[in-house]
Amino acid sequence: DTEVTQTPKHLVMGMTNKKSLKCEQHMGHRAMYWYKQKAKKPPELMFVYSYEKLSINESVPSRFSPECPNSSLLNLHLHALQPEDSALYLCASSQDRSGVNEKLFFGSGTQLSVL
Amino acid sequence: QKEVEQNSGPLSVPEGAIASLNCTYSDRGSQSFFWYRQYSGKSPELIMFIYSNGDKEDGRFTAQLNKASQYVSLLIRDSQPSDSATYLCAVNIGADGLTFGKGTHLIIQP
Repeated sequence: DTEVTQTPKHLVMGMTNKKSLKCEQHMGHRAMYWYKQKAKKPPELMFVYSYEKLSINESVPSRFSPECPNSSLLNLHLHALQPEDSALYLCASSQDRSGVNEKLFFGSGTQLSVL
Repeated sequence: QKEVEQNSGPLSVPEGAIASLNCTYSDRGSQSFFWYRQYSGKSPELIMFIYSNGDKEDGRFTAQLNKASQYVSLLIRDSQPSDSATYLCAVNIGADGLTFGKGTHLIIQP
């Protein structure tokens, strides 16, 4: 299994809603990532978990809350988002965070629209 | 500031020709270099990685790395219309993880 599975594929939410994005991998990878990508822009790193511990938080607003329940699962909890948060949210995994092993495998993404 | 620079394009190449995509990076401590292909509306897909100076070939793709010049490139031989996509250069800079360039939009003209 060489896939990173993300759900849902599409999400429309209001600014007062609470929702969660989910990500799963069964490649035995020990690093998992959340990226945000706006149209015609490169992916922007949000969070990195390494061995189930949060290792990077790129000054992301607190309305985004990551969670790593185990080495295969990664969640992103969303609350009180703004319309400018509308974007493609990408989950990725890698074997670990040592440079030569940090080959990212991306999920298909969640296209999020905030109304 | 750690930067990865790419020409955004579009780069237009005739079918069957060689497409040459370039990337420069600012941090001399960079260790690992990756090329991702991203089709419109899809997620990035890893197509090549390189760690050592020189060339690395995989099918129609060749990655070239010159650490002294802080330059990495991707050559696509016998370009096909299906190669039309945005190509993202990514550089691993220590504990900060991957830094992506803005991507080059490649168009293969039939």
